[in-house]
Amino acid sequence: GENVEQHPSTLSVQEGDSAVIKCTYSDSASNYFPWYKQELGKGPQLIIDIRSNVGEKKDQRIAVTLNKTAKHFSLHITETQPEDSAVYFCAASKQTGGFKTIFGAGTRLFVKA
Amino acid sequence: DSGVTQTPKHLITATGQRVTLRCSPRSGDLSVYWYQQSLDQGLQFLIQYYNGEERAKGNILERFSAQQFPDLHSELNLSSLELGDSALYFCASSEGTSGKGEQFFGPGTRLTVL
Repeated sequence: GENVEQHPSTLSVQEGDSAVIKCTYSDSASNYFPWYKQELGKGPQLIIDIRSNVGEKKDQRIAVTLNKTAKHFSLHITETQPEDSAVYFCAASKQTGGFKTIFGAGTRLFVKA
Repeated sequence: DSGVTQTPKHLITATGQRVTLRCSPRSGDLSVYWYQQSLDQGLQFLIQYYNGEERAKGNILERFSAQQFPDLHSELNLSSLELGDSALYFCASSEGTSGKGEQFFGPGTRLTVL
């Protein structure tokens, strides 16, 4: 069935270091790949997204890369700050008349000051 | 604040009961999505409505149903509740159905089934 695998499940970095989270999806029909940040007690919030016709996208300290052939996509956060500490989810979406999104299991990121 | 509201924030009920969760999308958004977030299952897509019509279905149990009303608010009905239904239920909204816009998530309803 449709699946998104996300690694690692937990990531601890020192402030100022980079963090990388990797995801793999199974459904080749997926064409939209959002990344969400979820802070404690809140709903997920979109931080960056990429579409299947683009290989890389950057927004300040956050970048996402997509390898459609390998069905891999990754989130890169540079110059991490303590406020980046949260749970990050990758997702793969496809249009099916509506819009179906499959989420990864999440990565808990700790940024140590 | 995403602009998506969900009520109630917390709900405690017993097995076998039925509950209704309510969601109001952001102003102007026509699509509403429901998700279940549990510790062992992660964030699971349940169902999407667009302008009152069901558009996409995920892993939604037959005991669960949803609808979107003419004013675009949506309700998720959960019946014959089981202990395993305890979870956070999120509603999200987006402008259209094509996925060109991001989904904005509400703060969630925490359901506890005792």
